[in-house]
Amino acid sequence: AAGVIQSPRHLIKEKRETATLKCYPIPRHDTVYWYQQGPGQDPQFLISFYEKMQSDKGSIPDRFSAQQFSDYHSELNMSSLELGDSALYFCASSSRDRDSYEQYFGPGTRLTVT
Amino acid sequence: GESVGLHLPTLSVQEGDNSIINCAYSNSASDYFIWYKQESGKGPQFIIDIRSNMDKRQGQRVTVLLNKTVKHLSLQIAATQPGDSAVYFCADSGGADGLTFGKGTHLIIQP
Repeated sequence: AAGVIQSPRHLIKEKRETATLKCYPIPRHDTVYWYQQGPGQDPQFLISFYEKMQSDKGSIPDRFSAQQFSDYHSELNMSSLELGDSALYFCASSSRDRDSYEQYFGPGTRLTVT
Repeated sequence: GESVGLHLPTLSVQEGDNSIINCAYSNSASDYFIWYKQESGKGPQFIIDIRSNMDKRQGQRVTVLLNKTVKHLSLQIAATQPGDSAVYFCADSGGADGLTFGKGTHLIIQP
């Protein structure tokens, strides 16, 4: 079965640079979520989109923005990168047609800021 | 703030034994709980979920128990196998989109 696709899988950036992470949800899923997971930490919810509109917002820094496009893929844009932004970034997707809150996670993008 | 948490950061069990991983939650409005398994370098993988109107739910080799009185959630894994080694997270969906994850428990399987 098709899973959530994230690209790139690894990314190295320097401080103050920008980064763009991409997420391709499972086909026919209409909702995408972004999570940040620091080393040894639990995933922290950043933001979500449903039908291309922002649906919920968590602990996303003002330096970050995201959007969902007409083909339902989503991009997380990160500017003025800081060392503390080094983490695993996961995208998850789900379908609101299903009577479930189950979110399917992608493999993640490992961002390293030097 | 309200959060979902796990009691033990590490749990070591013998292969073939049953494992029980615990989680305490504080958000009384929580109506849906999920257990995820995360292997090193991978994304969280759905194991089992339970709604607040249920006390127990069983899957393949896994059982989730919910005690709303004491706000406690547990994941039982029967006949633990080497492939069960991972970090296990409970998560809460209190009606909003984002899941609130608890601190993970690292399950170690001893041969």
